[in-house]
Order: sequence, then structure tokens, then C-alpha cells
Amino acid sequence: GDSVTQMEGPVTLSEEAFLTINCTYTATGYPSLFWYVQYPGEGLQLLLKATKADDKGSNKGFEATYRKETTSFHLEKGSVQVSDSAVYFCALSPMDSNYQLIWGAGTKLIIKP
Amino acid sequence: DGGITQSPKYLFRKEGQNVTLSCEQNLNHDAMYWYRQDPGQGLRLIYYSQIVNDFQKGDIAEGYSVSREKKESFPLTVTSAQKNPTAFYLCASRRQGGRNQPQHFGDGTRLSIL
Repeated sequence: GDSVTQMEGPVTLSEEAFLTINCTYTATGYPSLFWYVQYPGEGLQLLLKATKADDKGSNKGFEATYRKETTSFHLEKGSVQVSDSAVYFCALSPMDSNYQLIWGAGTKLIIKP
Repeated sequence: DGGITQSPKYLFRKEGQNVTLSCEQNLNHDAMYWYRQDPGQGLRLIYYSQIVNDFQKGDIAEGYSVSREKKESFPLTVTSAQKNPTAFYLCASRRQGGRNQPQHFGDGTRLSIL
């Protein structure tokens, strides 16, 4: 079945460092791909999405490119801030389902000043 | 502003007690979902509903029940049959329209055992 694999956390970086959080997926056809962010004690917020191959989603300085050839959707940011500390979830919406999201396990990001 | 409201933010359950978590949305979304999140873990689907008066079990439905009498509301009852209910519960909704639509989340309810 469809699945999402994220790099294990926590990921610890210094402020202004470059961020990459890896996400790879297994799915038939062309799923839609999402990144969500969860701040402590809160629900999840949609960060960005991409719906077809080579699409780049971007928001708040974060970017991710839908790579069909490597089945990946890695999250990147050029210069992280302490306020980016959160848990990041990668998810996919399968081609054959109009209700379901398949979730990665989440990656905790810690940014030190 | 449109959104999803979960209440209460914190809830405590006594042994043998059923408790109900509220979820209301004013986004006019057709589909609604309940997830459970344990510390340091991802999301696990409990129940979902695509239309009023219809709902389906997710991956961990045992010990939980839901109803969908109105489009705006999808309450979750944690029954006494759920032996390990301590967790963070998240409600979400989604507009119908295919796989490109994201899910939108409430701020969650944290349930603990007294």
C-alpha cells in the first residue's frame, strides 16, 4: 500500500542554518503531496503542497519540490529561525482515494539561538 | 473567520466513564476526521465521515464512537472500552474535490485519565 517515510528526528540546528527534512513516498500513479507543521500544544497547519510532478510548493520561506523520479518531497529552508522549532509532517493523498491522507511519522525540529 | 473549533482543550476521564469531544466547523466542508496522536508519534485515524449520517472506521476505531447528524459537527465519544485513552485528539475537515484538497485541523483536545 501507499506509504510515507520521513527522516527521524530530532533534527537540531543553529539559527540561520540551512534546513532539509527528507520525505520519500511509495504510491501508485501521481499522488498529491503535503507538508504540515505542528507547533507545541497545537493542531496541524498546512505549510505547502504540490499536486503534480516537478511542482514546487512554497510558503514562509519553506520549499519542497515534487520529484517523481526519486519519489521524494524534501522540505527545505535557507535560513531557519528559533520560531521554526516544531514538528513537521509529510503526507500524501493517493490517486485512488478522495478522502484519505497517508501520514509520515513526523520530524521534530529544534533550532538553537 | 472560518475554521474548526475543538472543545474542551483539556479533558479528564474517570475510570469507567464515557467522555465526548466536540468538533465544529464552519468551513462548509463535507468530510470530517478524528485522529489520535500519542507523544512523539504521528497521526492515527480513528473515524471519518464524508457526508451527513454516514461514517467509517479508521485504523483504531475500537473503544470510540462518533455521530454525524449535522454537516458542521462530528463529536467523538471515548468509551470506557478504550483502555488507554490518554492522548491528544485532533479533528480535521476537508472540502470534497479530490486528492488536491488538504485537510484543515482544529487545535486539539488533550485527554487524560484521573
